[in-house]
Amino acid sequence: DSGVTQTPKHLITATGQRVTLRCSPRSGDLSVYWYQQSLDQGLQFLIQYYNGEERAKGNILERFSAQQFPDLHSELNLSSLELGDSALYFCASSARDRISGNTIYFGEGSWLTVV
Amino acid sequence: SQQGEEDPQALSIQEGENATMNCSYKTSINNLQWYRQNSGRGLVHLILIRSNEREKHSGRLRVTLDTSKKSSSLLITASRAADTASYFCATDAWGTSGSRLTFGEGTQLTVNP
Repeated sequence: DSGVTQTPKHLITATGQRVTLRCSPRSGDLSVYWYQQSLDQGLQFLIQYYNGEERAKGNILERFSAQQFPDLHSELNLSSLELGDSALYFCASSARDRISGNTIYFGEGSWLTVV
Repeated sequence: SQQGEEDPQALSIQEGENATMNCSYKTSINNLQWYRQNSGRGLVHLILIRSNEREKHSGRLRVTLDTSKKSSSLLITASRAADTASYFCATDAWGTSGSRLTFGEGTQLTVNP
């Protein structure tokens, strides 16, 4: 158990809909990262928050947004869903704002299926 | 495109044999990490090697790093059926705003009992 909690574990929704994925980082970790894993794109970094502020942005679509709340949990919002958004979405956390030399811990992921 | 590229994409061995997976990357890095993922599960951190290190051991794992060739290898000795998983290398690069790990496409290891 990494200590990173993600909900829901599985989600099936229709195209055009909007979903919210939730992540609770490990106790004491201030950074939260979101990754998307799909068969054709592999593991893609989406976005990082540190202590409530956006710190780095990767290949995140404009239809997607995220935030980190004062209690440090984070949400990833996916809207106007398309079939190609079906993927495993991971949240990870680390203590500091830079990975360098630090381990980041991954949750078990949220499986999103868009039908 | 992925920073790291693993080779081979798939590896099938017998229990007790050693498994070697390779990773190549394109840019200068701070560190390189190896992760393991059981099918459909989260990624588990295995080992981190810094850019000024050449070799590191952890239990049955041995990681090497050759920054001149921009490559790393992960050796699992005396493999077990429970080692069956996908293995990913991930790099943390210089000059990246914010902080991120860039993952390779992974090697699917199957250890047959």
